[in-house]
Amino acid sequence: DTGVSQDPRHKITKRGQNVTFRCDPISEHNRLYWYRQTLGQGPEFLTYFQNEAQLEKSRLLSDRFSAERPKGSFSTLEIQRTEQGDSAMYLCASSPPRGPEQFFGPGTRLTVL
Amino acid sequence: GIQVEQSPPDLILQEGANSTLRCNFSDSVNNLQWFHQNPWGQLINLFYIPSGTKQNGRLSATTVATERYSLLYISSSQTTDSGVYFCAVAPSGYALNFGKGTSLLVTP
Repeated sequence: DTGVSQDPRHKITKRGQNVTFRCDPISEHNRLYWYRQTLGQGPEFLTYFQNEAQLEKSRLLSDRFSAERPKGSFSTLEIQRTEQGDSAMYLCASSPPRGPEQFFGPGTRLTVL
Repeated sequence: GIQVEQSPPDLILQEGANSTLRCNFSDSVNNLQWFHQNPWGQLINLFYIPSGTKQNGRLSATTVATERYSLLYISSSQTTDSGVYFCAVAPSGYALNFGKGTSLLVTP
């Protein structure tokens, strides 16, 4: 049983550029979550999907952020017009239909120069 | 929103020592998880424990939901136990709220 995978693992971009991250959940997990973690802090919830439906969004998810899960399998998180404050670790998690326990991927570390 | 407080914020132990990490939360929860974050940033699941007691090797955890706290016990600590330990709770729905973590350093 493979775990949650994320791609890329690291991304360096210049301010103003757009970036897109991908998350592949554990097979048969119908719920998928995105979190953001800055240095020295715990992860903060961004958004949550059940199958292909985006059911919850944090106020942290500004208009520059968009997430999709088009076929209820993998998900993408896009950040438009990146700012230096977007520099963080972006974590994806998934959970199975039978319970709420979440399993996390290795994260994508974004650096905005 | 729900408040999650972890203590102590930092802990230094010698190899072989035991420790107790605490997580207090401000509202009833339907999910409580303990994680270990390794130096590469990976969050490793330790326990899913919204109530009761569980043990896994040298680690055990207890959640007293009525009193809104959870404890993580580490016995006979090893250098590989070093890292940050997070408690995360979900009061309703599925979004996890994380504490600020306990940073543990185990020295040889």
